[in-house]
Order: sequence, then structure tokens, then C-alpha cells
Amino acid sequence: RKEVEQDPGPFNVPEGATVAFNCTYSNSASQSFFWYRQDCRKEPKLLMSVYSSGNEDGRFTAQLNRASQYISLLIRDSKLSDSATYLCVVNMNGATNKLIFGTGTLLAVQP
Amino acid sequence: ETGVTQTPRHLVMGMTNKKSLKCEQHLGHNAMYWYKQSAKKPLELMFVYSLEERVENNSVPSRFSPECPNSSHLFLHLHTLQPEDSALYLCASSSLIQGISYNEQFFGPGTRLTVL
Repeated sequence: RKEVEQDPGPFNVPEGATVAFNCTYSNSASQSFFWYRQDCRKEPKLLMSVYSSGNEDGRFTAQLNRASQYISLLIRDSKLSDSATYLCVVNMNGATNKLIFGTGTLLAVQP
Repeated sequence: ETGVTQTPRHLVMGMTNKKSLKCEQHLGHNAMYWYKQSAKKPLELMFVYSLEERVENNSVPSRFSPECPNSSHLFLHLHTLQPEDSALYLCASSSLIQGISYNEQFFGPGTRLTVL
């Protein structure tokens, strides 16, 4: 089983749509959780951290369910500029900041 | 953005060549990382350096040799690579602060390596 598993997509959605991505992780000892965004041929950049209580940043909402080892990202009112690959990321070791990445979910927002 | 820079951006090398990738961070961080990103695969952590000491080595073949001379610079020395080593090599940096489980990692633009 992969350490971090995501649906690779692509998710093709019209502008203004709401889209949700899911991710599961295998190691229950994982310490912290994130969504990164990677544009085509660019480096990954942190989108947001994910907390058990759920957190929101504008149109983006992230949720963590530790019991089910499940992470989600919801994007409301999709923009063309949201088109990218969304990487689910788990921190395995707080001392060394060791990150495990999912393969990413490709989102294409259509005009 | 110039927080983390990498050179060269593109590299083509033969299997018998020796080359080095360079990474420099201007963010005052104390930890640096090498990752490999192959097509259709997730980013794979290769090495972690904290305060110039290697603290993580993810079973990387010895044909990849990292070097961290100071907290701002990180190198990846390459020799006798294989075609399957062709990938995007990304450098990242972060602060490691005792007691805080995570500090954001900032990535460089990567070196796209092709081994012939």
C-alpha cells in the first residue's frame, strides 16, 4: 500500500464549480498534514496546512480525519488559475521534517 | 522568486560523466533537502541535512553523493548514473525548530536531468 494515496485525476471542471480532492495515508503515527500545489513544470508550493478541526483559507477548505487516516481539500468557485496538480503531503518525522508526498491530483478548470 | 535557487536548470549527461547539482538558499534556514520527481511518481525524499549534518538518507544509491558545506549551500554530486535516474531534482529548505513539528519547506525550481 502506498504511504500517501490520491486519485490522480484529471478532474475537469467548469469555472465556478466546487471540487473536492481526497487523500489517505497509511501510517497512523504521521504528525502533520498539508496540501501543496504544483503548477506545470514548476516547483511545489505550500497551499495550506490541514488540522483536525478543519481550516479554511478563502475558497479553500481542508479537513483531517485521523481515525480514518483521511485528508480532504475542497475548492469552491473554481477559477482558471486554480488549474494545477494538488499534492497531499504528510510529515512523518517532526525532528527532520521528513515529508511524504502523494502522486498528486490534476485539476483542469475549463472556461 | 530567489529564495531557493538551483543550477543548472537543465542537464544532459552520459552514463560515464561526473556532474554536480547546486542549490543555494537565501532564507536563513538551517535545513536543506534533496528530492527526486520522476514522471507519474510522487516526489521522493533523498537526503535531509540539518545544520550541515546529514540526518536522513532514504536508501539512495551511492552514485548520488550529497554535500552540505554550510547552511546555505547544498550539492548533489552525480557519477555513473543510469538512464532511469533521469528526473527533476528539487532542492528545498526550511527551518528546523526543536519542539515544532513542521516548518514550511520552500522549493527551488529544480534541475531537469537527462541521462543518456
